[in-house]
Amino acid sequence: GENVEQHPSTLSVQEGDSAVIKCTYSDSASNYFPWYKQELGKGPQLIIDIRSNVGEKKDQRIAVTLNKTAKHFSLHITETQPEDSAVYFCAASTYNYGQNFVFGPGTRLSVLP
Amino acid sequence: DGGITQSPKYLFRKEGQNVTLSCEQNLNHDAMYWYRQDPGQGLRLIYYSQIVNDFQKGDIAEGYSVSREKKESFPLTVTSAQKNPTAFYLCASRLESTDTQYFGPGTRLTVL
Repeated sequence: GENVEQHPSTLSVQEGDSAVIKCTYSDSASNYFPWYKQELGKGPQLIIDIRSNVGEKKDQRIAVTLNKTAKHFSLHITETQPEDSAVYFCAASTYNYGQNFVFGPGTRLSVLP
Repeated sequence: DGGITQSPKYLFRKEGQNVTLSCEQNLNHDAMYWYRQDPGQGLRLIYYSQIVNDFQKGDIAEGYSVSREKKESFPLTVTSAQKNPTAFYLCASRLESTDTQYFGPGTRLTVL
């Protein structure tokens, strides 16, 4: 079955710097890759997603890149702000798994003022 | 106000007791999901339902049960057979023909 790894597990950056979180997946049939942001004690919120027929997607300060050959995808946050501090999860889904998600273990991002 | 609601926000249970967590959505979504989240870990799928009166086991279904009698409701029962039930439980839903799952605010269950 699908396995998703995520690195780093924790990340601290200075306000205004960029942050990059990387995920790898094992099932080459995976075709949808969402990223979620989870604040303490709350449910995850979708921040950006990408499909396997696209290499890059951008939404203001957030971007996601996908390398299907290497089976990895990355979240890029530019001009980080203190409110970006949260836990970020990547996920992968495949039709072979009923389009259910397999999540990475998460990255705790701290943006230092 | 559309969305997914979970109740209660906090739940305490004594060992040996069954407890039911509520999940309701008014988004007219077809599929609904239950996940378990342990500290410092990702989300693991417990059960999911693609359509009313049908549901499937996820990766960690042992000790849990669900029902899907109405499209908008997908309650999860944590039974006494679940060995380590203390966790944060998240419900999600998805519209058919789309990929994105939307999450509720979660229920934190503590076994005393």
